[in-house]
Amino acid sequence: DGGITQSPKYLFRKEGQNVTLSCEQNLNHDAMYWYRQDPGQGLRLIYYSQIVNDFQKGDIAEGYSVSREKKESFPLTVTSAQKNPTAFYLCASSDAGGPRTDTQYFGPGTRLTVL
Amino acid sequence: QKEVEQNSGPLSVPEGAIASLNCTYSDRGSQSFFWYRQYSGKSPELIMFIYSNGDKEDGRFTAQLNKASQYVSLLIRDSQPSDSATYLCAPIGGNNRLAFGKGNQVVVIP
Repeated sequence: DGGITQSPKYLFRKEGQNVTLSCEQNLNHDAMYWYRQDPGQGLRLIYYSQIVNDFQKGDIAEGYSVSREKKESFPLTVTSAQKNPTAFYLCASSDAGGPRTDTQYFGPGTRLTVL
Repeated sequence: QKEVEQNSGPLSVPEGAIASLNCTYSDRGSQSFFWYRQYSGKSPELIMFIYSNGDKEDGRFTAQLNKASQYVSLLIRDSQPSDSATYLCAPIGGNNRLAFGKGNQVVVIP
């Protein structure tokens, strides 16, 4: 089965803790993305990577970090510096073919709650 | 001015009717436009994309694009209760990144 997996589905964090969200894809896509969604809001881009060992900040990167050591994997760490981390986190991937074909497909998401 | 504007609704339509969803965008460099459907608590799933002016039909869905007016719409014909969801409009901007609106919420009434 080809697709994008995210784990865990639900995550609870105490204040001051770092947590890492997993994202894996077996679609052989070059590009991967992390978005955050808050209730009643659109998706906001946190980080994206178009190639292994390279990534760029999105619109709301503060308090987050990523790595891209393998094509299949793009983990997101939510650090204690992120002031309001409770949200629905979505990972996506695309084949980065260009603006007319760069369709992003989403994983099932991780819902993070800070206690 | 917000980058992508959608009327968050909700839009209530009777079963079998046409639901019409509108989206305006500010980035004139946008080339492709995606419509995603998102059920409550779930991740977005792609419905269709359009990059040429005019209409594009896929089953019960029709996307309409007017780049001069910076306007893209989605029509859902013969609406079904399973169409009840939030529909996200997402242009790819001149920076080659997707920009998402807040979504149009649709409620199909049996």
